[in-house]
Amino acid sequence: DIQMTQSPSSLSASVGDRVTITCRASQSIITYLNWYQQKPGKAPKLLIYAASSLQSGVPSRFSGSGSGTDFTLTISSLQPEDFATYYCQQSYSTPPITFGQGTRLGIK
Amino acid sequence: QVQLQESGPGLVKPSETLSLTCTVSSGSISNYYWSWIRQPPGKGLEWIGYIYYSGSTNYSPSLKSRVTISVDTSKNQFSLKLSSVTAADTAVYYCARVYSAYDKFLDYWGQGTLVTVSS
Repeated sequence: DIQMTQSPSSLSASVGDRVTITCRASQSIITYLNWYQQKPGKAPKLLIYAASSLQSGVPSRFSGSGSGTDFTLTISSLQPEDFATYYCQQSYSTPPITFGQGTRLGIK
Repeated sequence: QVQLQESGPGLVKPSETLSLTCTVSSGSISNYYWSWIRQPPGKGLEWIGYIYYSGSTNYSPSLKSRVTISVDTSKNQFSLKLSSVTAADTAVYYCARVYSAYDKFLDYWGQGTLVTVSS
């Protein structure tokens, strides 16, 4: 199974900051990497698929990059509604579908 | 747009079987894979399994011996059964649509339902 590791596990930032979250796969997954945002008490929401494609309706301040084993999610200018937990997920070798452990983005 | 809604008991006794149903609306269940994912309180996401509308299934290796996912295309529903539950199975259970057979990310999710295992 492909293991997904996110870093950091948590971080604090301020409104307007540029934030980057990293996801590393245990083997190459080409660009089969997806990002989700989850707010407390809510279901995860797809943000980015195929490493860099923005899901419809997602603000352009979110972007994704990477290939192979190393990927990043960047929020260019944090907004109050962006404080949430973010998960990466690989879709290269399934089953199983595997997620990273999550990165909790809090307010500084 | 597609909507998913989980339903089922919120409390299950240890050793019994957890049963949930996901109803798909504003879209057909045909031609897609459909998945169950769970999240223990305060923890991350765990994939349980998925089913194609035709009935073929794949399960998480760690849960395979206890999980059954089925589909009822006439009702636009798919279901989860998890047997011999323990407190470790207490979680929010989500159903979700798999985007495609070639790229299995989850593009639509239900709101989730909390299932507590307790006597």
